[in-house]
Amino acid sequence: DAKTTQPTSMDCAEGRAANLPCNHSTISGNEYVYWYRQIHSQGPQYIIHGLKNNETNEMASLIITEDRKSSTLILPHATLRDTAVYYCIVRSRQGGSEKLVFGKGTKLTVNP
Amino acid sequence: DAGVIQSPRHEVTEMGQEVTLRCKPISGHNSLFWYRQTMMRGLELLIYFNNNVPIDDSGMPEDRFSAKMPNASFSTLKIQPSEPRDSAVYFCASSPRGRGYGYTFGSGTRLTVV
Repeated sequence: DAKTTQPTSMDCAEGRAANLPCNHSTISGNEYVYWYRQIHSQGPQYIIHGLKNNETNEMASLIITEDRKSSTLILPHATLRDTAVYYCIVRSRQGGSEKLVFGKGTKLTVNP
Repeated sequence: DAGVIQSPRHEVTEMGQEVTLRCKPISGHNSLFWYRQTMMRGLELLIYFNNNVPIDDSGMPEDRFSAKMPNASFSTLKIQPSEPRDSAVYFCASSPRGRGYGYTFGSGTRLTVV
């Protein structure tokens, strides 16, 4: 499985863009990058995913480097409700087993 | 859409007792996953089903843990006998098969074994 590396924690001011980095230097050509977040005590929530092109949806943007060894999740205007743990996951698919394996993620704190 | 429904929300039981956690996935989702979350180990995948068939149970910690999915709308995770180290939040998730972006998680069951 391709592993991911994320900072343990980050802070962001309310209203500013939050840029969360993720390294996945061993990613293979057919593996996608997924981002989920977990707000305290709730189940994880899907945010966005991508293969090699940049992606944008109503929640966030995902920027993937050309060599695909790293990516950045961007929350354009962070609010207090965006305080959560953010997980960057590279999708593993082995022998028909389709897993999402969660690492420790980045604890994002949005400050007023 | 009510989402993934788990019950109970909280469970407190004594060591040695049997515990059964329940999950109703989203209608039409072919895949169902059971995760366990603790402070020490984070989110761990225990087992997952495709079309009601267990595909990968390599994350099930011991024989004390078992999971079933008798039909497309119901799954159980059983611990027998329970131990204090089983205390954790257990999440169920479902997704359309083959879509890693489609996971929807339930609210979880917080299990405390005393």
